[in-house]
Amino acid sequence: SQQGEEDPQALSIQEGENATMNCSYKTSINNLQWYRQNSGRGLVHLILIRSNEREKHSGRLRVTLDTSKKSSSLLITASRAADTASYFCAWNSGGYQKVTFGTGTKLQVIP
Amino acid sequence: GAGVSQTPSNKVTEKGKYVELRCDPISGHTALYWYRQSLGQGPEFLIYFQGTGAADDSGLPNDRFFAVRPEGSVSTLKIQRTERGDSAVYLCASSLTGDRGTGELFFGEGSRLTVL
Repeated sequence: SQQGEEDPQALSIQEGENATMNCSYKTSINNLQWYRQNSGRGLVHLILIRSNEREKHSGRLRVTLDTSKKSSSLLITASRAADTASYFCAWNSGGYQKVTFGTGTKLQVIP
Repeated sequence: GAGVSQTPSNKVTEKGKYVELRCDPISGHTALYWYRQSLGQGPEFLIYFQGTGAADDSGLPNDRFFAVRPEGSVSTLKIQRTERGDSAVYLCASSLTGDRGTGELFFGEGSRLTVL
């Protein structure tokens, strides 16, 4: 993608393990968000981190942001089978409200 | 309703036909977005409304695609002379916007368009 990438494209782990997904983008940003999408459904917002923040936690989620490297990571700790879904990062930049999405990571948590 | 509502949930049409997809955002949300998502891909930005005006339509692929939001609430995405390549899930989202940057987007369940 010319806008950004996520890796890995797919990730399969055992229940209880941690899952880490990475996102890279190409522009300066105001904030970066992570979304989750169950198969065939709409996207659900998980967490937002602002450009002046480096780390944020929400329950079992931990997000980091490195604006110098234009990258972010999402860590899901103690994964559960119900975490199986696709995860997308998204960002907006400048004075624009346009929100651009990454390519996504498909996570499978095996019970 | 409490969430973003999109209709129809599924639409099958023939090549060359005209299609309208409707989005009813969360009440009070001034920002409304349309995205297109192909299988296994991330959502692709199409257009963004702030109120009634299209603030950014840079993602519309060509002039067969058009969207309106006449009263600043419900929006309709219109596709003329549909092509098989238009087949995708069309997602709508709404948001409250602050002074700078965008907060959380609330998505509908999408309208799956299949062009035969």
